[in-house]
Amino acid sequence: KQEVTQIPAALSVPEGENLVLNCSFTDSAIYNLQWFRQDPGKGLTSLLLIQSSQREQTSGRLNASLDKSSGRSTLYIAASQPGDSATYLCAVKTGANNLFFGTGTRLTVIP
Amino acid sequence: GAVVSQHPSRVICKSGTSVKIECRSLDFQATTMFWYRQFPKQSLMLMATSNEGSKATYEQGVEKDKFLINHASLTLSTLTVTSAHPEDSSFYICSARLRGGVDTQYFGPGTRLTVL
Repeated sequence: KQEVTQIPAALSVPEGENLVLNCSFTDSAIYNLQWFRQDPGKGLTSLLLIQSSQREQTSGRLNASLDKSSGRSTLYIAASQPGDSATYLCAVKTGANNLFFGTGTRLTVIP
Repeated sequence: GAVVSQHPSRVICKSGTSVKIECRSLDFQATTMFWYRQFPKQSLMLMATSNEGSKATYEQGVEKDKFLINHASLTLSTLTVTSAHPEDSSFYICSARLRGGVDTQYFGPGTRLTVL
């Protein structure tokens, strides 16, 4: 069964710092990997989706990489801002419907 | 953009009662909707997949008679927790896949259920 782990569970950084969030998964037979943002009391917002054949995706200050063979992905956030404070979830898709989520990293960016 | 709403956002009920949670796709048609559950400090876990006009497919370990899912239209799916118990207290999140879409699921804001 696919297991998705995210490290660290929580992270606090001062505004302006660059940071990296980590995600690892046990079964490399995935269709794609997504990074989501979850704000308290709100739904999940998709940030980046990387297909299994891709190595990375970029959107603004966000860059996500995927190393399928080693079962790892990273989310790089450049020049962090207080508005980036949220819980970040990674999820891997292994079938038509199955999304396996990690437990998330709670990020706090201190002004 | 695609918006999914859930109602209610928060519900507290007594043990033994039933609770209905609605999931609506506001500006698109969703042939497939998904229901997830998230316990504190744990991952979101898929409970069931519902396709409009047909029976839901439940994941292993999820009781279909306890968690009733109805997907009667292309914009509405409901989850009814029957005879709720304190162990059913959780955060329930739905998502909807755009009609004809493959990868993208749009998530609702979630419903916090507390069973006393």
